[in-house]
Amino acid sequence: EVQLVESGGGFVQPGGSLRLSCAASGFSFSSYSMNWVRQAPGKGLEWVSFITGSSSTIYYADSVKGRFTVSRDNAKNLLYLQMNSLRDEDTAVYYCAKRHYGDDFDYWGQGTLVTVSS
Amino acid sequence: EIVMTQSPVTLSVSPGERATLSCRASQSVGTSVAWYQQRPGQAPRLLIYGASTRATGIPPRFSGSGSGTEFSLTISGLQSEDLAVYYCQQYNNWPPITFGGGTKVEI
Repeated sequence: EVQLVESGGGFVQPGGSLRLSCAASGFSFSSYSMNWVRQAPGKGLEWVSFITGSSSTIYYADSVKGRFTVSRDNAKNLLYLQMNSLRDEDTAVYYCAKRHYGDDFDYWGQGTLVTVSS
Repeated sequence: EIVMTQSPVTLSVSPGERATLSCRASQSVGTSVAWYQQRPGQAPRLLIYGASTRATGIPPRFSGSGSGTEFSLTISGLQSEDLAVYYCQQYNNWPPITFGGGTKVEI
């Protein structure tokens, strides 16, 4: 059974940093591209970042480019999102999501809440 | 950036009826559209990919259609468990991957 479990969310002041983790199991993690998607309270879904299985290709949304860094450790089946220079508007539930056949997402974690506030 | 526009924002439907949700892309995305269901308090769940292919385990009352810029998701014989927000997503021309604003289905 495929499982994605995020952790690392919490409360942080503007300008601060957090590192999110996503623990994957039940599939060949290194063979799949992964994504981060976020959802601000009461709002819709916003794609944040993409990383291929080998980490050779990485993309970011313009809203986080230069502040967030995605990485993965295939030996540990872990996906990361390092978030620096956090802003109020980064407040959201952050989901990790596994790439499907196209670039749709067939499995999602339960999400981890990041709150940025002074 | 391709903008995905969903309508209506809210849809009220009685149990057993049919619900039709629409999604329009700002430029052609072929059939690279997925639909997700997000029940209250839950993560999104993939329903449809490739505009019309049901994901594993999705009941046949969910169907998708369309190509180019116009897409629809139809839920036939609506059930109470279908109360959710539904999102379309395009993955034809990215980054960025983009989602529609969502349609809330009320039973």
